[in-house]
Amino acid sequence: EVQLVESGGGLVQPGGSLRLSCAASGFTFSSYEMNWVRQAPGKGLEWVSYISSSGSTIYYADSVKGRFTISRDNAKNSLYLQMNSLRAEDTAVYYCARKYRNLYYFDYWGQGTLVTVSS
Amino acid sequence: SYELTQPPSVSVSPGQTARITCSGDALPKQYAYWYQQKPGQAPVLVIYKDSERPSGIPERFSGSSSGTTVTLTISGVQAEDEADYYCQSADSSGTHGVFGGGTKLTVL
Repeated sequence: EVQLVESGGGLVQPGGSLRLSCAASGFTFSSYEMNWVRQAPGKGLEWVSYISSSGSTIYYADSVKGRFTISRDNAKNSLYLQMNSLRAEDTAVYYCARKYRNLYYFDYWGQGTLVTVSS
Repeated sequence: SYELTQPPSVSVSPGQTARITCSGDALPKQYAYWYQQKPGQAPVLVIYKDSERPSGIPERFSGSSSGTTVTLTISGVQAEDEADYYCQSADSSGTHGVFGGGTKLTVL
């Protein structure tokens, strides 16, 4: 059974940093491209970042470029999101999501982890 | 940056047909996907590649595409279909994902 379990969310002050993790199981993690998607309270879904299966290709949404860093450790079956210079508008539930092979959709999602940026 | 446009809300009575549209300039080039999200839950894929239905999704869910607009159709709407629906695609280069703003389906 495919499982994605996010962790690392919490309360952080504006300008602060946080690192999210996503532990994957039930599939060959190193063969799949992964993404982070977020959802602000009461708002819609927003794609945040993409990383290729090897980690060599990375893309970011304009809203987080230069502040967030996506990475992965295939030996540990884990995906990460390093978030720096956090702003109030980064407050959201952050989901890790597996991209389906050669199509750009997300076939498995984690349960999400809440990040709250507030003083 | 690239955007997908959906109506904020759609309301239908049980048994009627609900249609939710999604517009974007790159949709003739990139497939569209539809997710259903209920409160407190992660999104669930209901349509992929514009019109394909994943296993386990009821036949009343269908998708279509015409030019820069894709449409999710729910025939014979049931109370359990009340949820937020999001279209999703990629930009013209196929590198950045994008979601529509979401449509809240209300079953009257």
